[in-house]
Amino acid sequence: TQLLEQSPQFLSIQEGENLTVYCNSSSVFSSLQWYRQEPGEGPVLLVTVVTGGEVKKLKRLTFQFGDARKDSSLHITAAQPGDTGLYLCADRTGNQFYFGTGTSLTVIP
Amino acid sequence: ETGVTQSPTHLIKTRGQQVTLRCSSQSGHNTVSWYQQALGQGPQFIFQYYREEENGRGNFPPRFSGLQFPNYSSELNVNALELDDSALYLCATSERGVTYEQYFGPGTRLTVT
Repeated sequence: TQLLEQSPQFLSIQEGENLTVYCNSSSVFSSLQWYRQEPGEGPVLLVTVVTGGEVKKLKRLTFQFGDARKDSSLHITAAQPGDTGLYLCADRTGNQFYFGTGTSLTVIP
Repeated sequence: ETGVTQSPTHLIKTRGQQVTLRCSSQSGHNTVSWYQQALGQGPQFIFQYYREEENGRGNFPPRFSGLQFPNYSSELNVNALELDDSALYLCATSERGVTYEQYFGPGTRLTVT
C-alpha cells in the first residue's frame, strides 16, 4: 500500500506570507497530483506532475517533483485568504489513487 | 464547478441500516471512483467502475458495493452500517485512458448514529 505523508499537518499564516508544504512517499510515485479542497466541497485538481525534477507554475503556486520521484512540494507566494483549504497530494498506481492526509492551510486577512 | 453531482447532500442513518448514495458523471466521463473521507483525513479509495464493471477495489469489506449505469451515473451501497462509516463520501469521474484526471463531486455527508 502506498503511504503518502504530508507536512505540516496544519499551517496558519498571515496574508502576504510565503509557504511551502510537502508530500513524501515510501516508494516512487507513478504520477503525482495536487488538489485543494474547501470545506463542504470535493477536492479540485490543481496540477499533475509526472517527470522527476519537473517544475510547474500555476499563478502564485509552484509545484516541484523530486528528482527521484519520491517527494514533491507546493510553494505559495504571497498567500491570500482565498488560498485557505486542505491541500492533498495523490499518487496514481494503476487505476487507483492514494491520497495523503493533507495540509490544512488557513490564511488570515 | 465540475459538473459532477451527488445526492443526497447529507444523510443520517442508524447503525445496522442500509444506505444508497448517488453520483452523476461529468459529460463524456466513462469512469467513476468512490472515496471515503473521514474527518481530518485524505480520501480513501473504495472502488472504481468502468463500463458498468468494478475495475479495482480498495481495502473495504463486501458490504460496500456499487453500480454503474449505461449513462455512466453510479450508486454506492453500504449495508449493515457501522458507526465508523460516518464520513464524507466522494465520487470522482474521469475519462479512462486519457489523462486520469479526476473531477470530484461535492460529496455526501453520512452520519451513522
